Amino acid sequence: QQPVQSPQAVILREGEDAVINCSSSKALYSVHWYRQKHGEAPVFLMILLKGGEQKGHDKISASFNEKKQQSSLYLTASQLSYSGTYFCGTAMNYGGSQGNLIFGKGTKLSVKP
Amino acid sequence: EAQVTQNPRYLITVTGKKLTVTCSQNMNHEYMSWYRQDPGLGLRQIYYSMNVEVTDKGDVPEGYKVSRKEKRNFPLILESPSPNQTSLYFCASSSRWGGYEQYFGPGTRLTVT
Repeated sequence: QQPVQSPQAVILREGEDAVINCSSSKALYSVHWYRQKHGEAPVFLMILLKGGEQKGHDKISASFNEKKQQSSLYLTASQLSYSGTYFCGTAMNYGGSQGNLIFGKGTKLSVKP
Repeated sequence: EAQVTQNPRYLITVTGKKLTVTCSQNMNHEYMSWYRQDPGLGLRQIYYSMNVEVTDKGDVPEGYKVSRKEKRNFPLILESPSPNQTSLYFCASSSRWGGYEQYFGPGTRLTVT
């Protein structure tokens, strides 16, 4: 079942912060985050595994609440280069679901000068 | 250069005319996957392969076939394309399934008339 991302779209000014949420109704093993710029392929940001730690690099970090089956992506002090559509992908990794990665519909982030 | 290549990048075809979209990676990756992307629907997994000779259905496999005879190649076959298969297609690979990033190809824009 497709995870639900919120918000669907957000507009920021440079330097502002944003949070993108990803929620699933299924028990998750991992959450994958990707960013896609217009006309380009998705690019990997990070993966969070069940039982793993919160991850981050530079000013982008993410958390994974296993009990709630939710993940959040945090963008701090946003830059123009952060503009794009952010996708979360979820994997259950048990039974016949290994290898099956289900993406949300995406969150469009626009950063203005 | 480590990369995932897809061919063709653009294709316009007619209903019912069999076609193949090739995907190749040069990173010795075990896991490969095909996605289609449609406006407002995000990325949806068509088929994936955990390793050579091992393939499985994703969320939207109807009307598609795949094969994985060699580690580096994972072609997507549309035996009898229909207009509802008009979409942007991405191939992706990762070293193995689990907590590893996927590298996406540049995409193939398919139009079926």
